[in-house]
Amino acid sequence: GAVVSQHPSWVICKSGTSVKIECRSLDFQATTMFWYRQFPKQSLMLMATSNEGSKATYEQGVEKDKFLINHASLTLSTLTVTSAHPEDSSFYICSARPGQAGNTIYFGEGSWLTVV
Amino acid sequence: AQSVTQLDSQVPVFEEAPVELRCNYSSSVSVYLFWYVQYPNQGLQLLLKYLSGSTLVKGINGFEAEFNKSQTSFHLRKPSVHISDTAEYFCAVSLSISFGGYNKLIFGAGTRLAVHP
Repeated sequence: GAVVSQHPSWVICKSGTSVKIECRSLDFQATTMFWYRQFPKQSLMLMATSNEGSKATYEQGVEKDKFLINHASLTLSTLTVTSAHPEDSSFYICSARPGQAGNTIYFGEGSWLTVV
Repeated sequence: AQSVTQLDSQVPVFEEAPVELRCNYSSSVSVYLFWYVQYPNQGLQLLLKYLSGSTLVKGINGFEAEFNKSQTSFHLRKPSVHISDTAEYFCAVSLSISFGGYNKLIFGAGTRLAVHP
């Protein structure tokens, strides 16, 4: 099956610094990628939808200047948490969809971010 | 707007017993329905999905789900669970293609299935 890979799986950063998480589709071209955030023992909350070559569409309440999303190629999207704070600590999951709406969406393994 | 309700936050069950994880959804237009499984510290894996056609959908690992439009439900079942089925299970919904959907997945709160020996 299709594979979506996230890197890093775990990251610890100091408060005030920025951290980048990568999401790659390894064996298909992902025209659309999605970023989710999951707090412990809670469900996934969609943060933003990114289409290759265009600006991401953020969900209500998500700060676009804090969570920078770049989808510069058909196989890579990045989420940069800028000026991270402890409350940004969370499990971040990306998903990717090849081609048009209607195709299966594949999820990455997730990335644990801890801000100390 | 669409919403998903998973009625049980935790479901304890003994090994080899049957299990049903409940999911109800709310939508004024046609939707697609999904069940995902999440093992500890991992991403999500698709168990099964309902797009159209037969209301009984069979997925991986022996799971199946039945779409009931009148009751707006999509309950997940397995006749005999294993220890390895212990995980978090998420029900999700998206708009159908005719409404420009299959784009955003709206997830339920999740159900923790704990299988005991």
